[in-house]
Amino acid sequence: DIVLTQTPLSSPVTLGQPASISCRSSQSLVHSDGNTYLSWLHQRPGQPPRLLIYKISNRFSGVPDRFSGSGAGTDFTLKISRVEAEDVGVYYCMQATQFPWTFGQGTKVEIK
Amino acid sequence: EVQLVESGGGLVQPGGSLRLSCAASGFTFRSHWMHWVRQAPGKGLVWVSRVNSDGSGTTHADSVKGRFTISRDNAKNTLYLQMNSLRAEDTAVYYCARGNGEGATDYWGQGTLVTVSS
Repeated sequence: DIVLTQTPLSSPVTLGQPASISCRSSQSLVHSDGNTYLSWLHQRPGQPPRLLIYKISNRFSGVPDRFSGSGAGTDFTLKISRVEAEDVGVYYCMQATQFPWTFGQGTKVEIK
Repeated sequence: EVQLVESGGGLVQPGGSLRLSCAASGFTFRSHWMHWVRQAPGKGLVWVSRVNSDGSGTTHADSVKGRFTISRDNAKNTLYLQMNSLRAEDTAVYYCARGNGEGATDYWGQGTLVTVSS
């Protein structure tokens, strides 16, 4: 199975400041069709996850442009340009290049 | 508006069975892969199963293979997860999620809690 390792596991941030989360894969996430199926999801306490980014850098409908994704191969990053109060919660990366689909352990973002 | 509503969770004894349902609305259900993802209390997300759009292809995580079966009824816009031989480690909130056709899950239900305990 592909293992996704997120860092940091916890990220205290100041409102209005940037935040960055790394997701490293145990093997390349480039699919045989040429796409890289790495997505990012956000889960607020007591809520289901919601999709933020798919295929490395594509923002899902309605996601604010302060969220951006980048990376290639085995190394990926989610950036929040200016953290807002509603951004608290746990962020997960997920790979869908190979079954079983797998998630990172999650990164908890909280306000300082 | 896309809606996914899970049901069927509850308390079950080890070795018992449950059938989860996920009622879908607001989109063309038969056009999308569907998934089950679970989350143990206080833990992270774990992908469980997927079914393709017409129900002809399924994949399960090794941890549930041979015990869980995913299926769908496109006439009823409903996704199912038949869970047999349940174990304490299957205790989790079970979410159904829609595949977006681009290797991601774009809509999730609110989840249904399954507790396996004697």
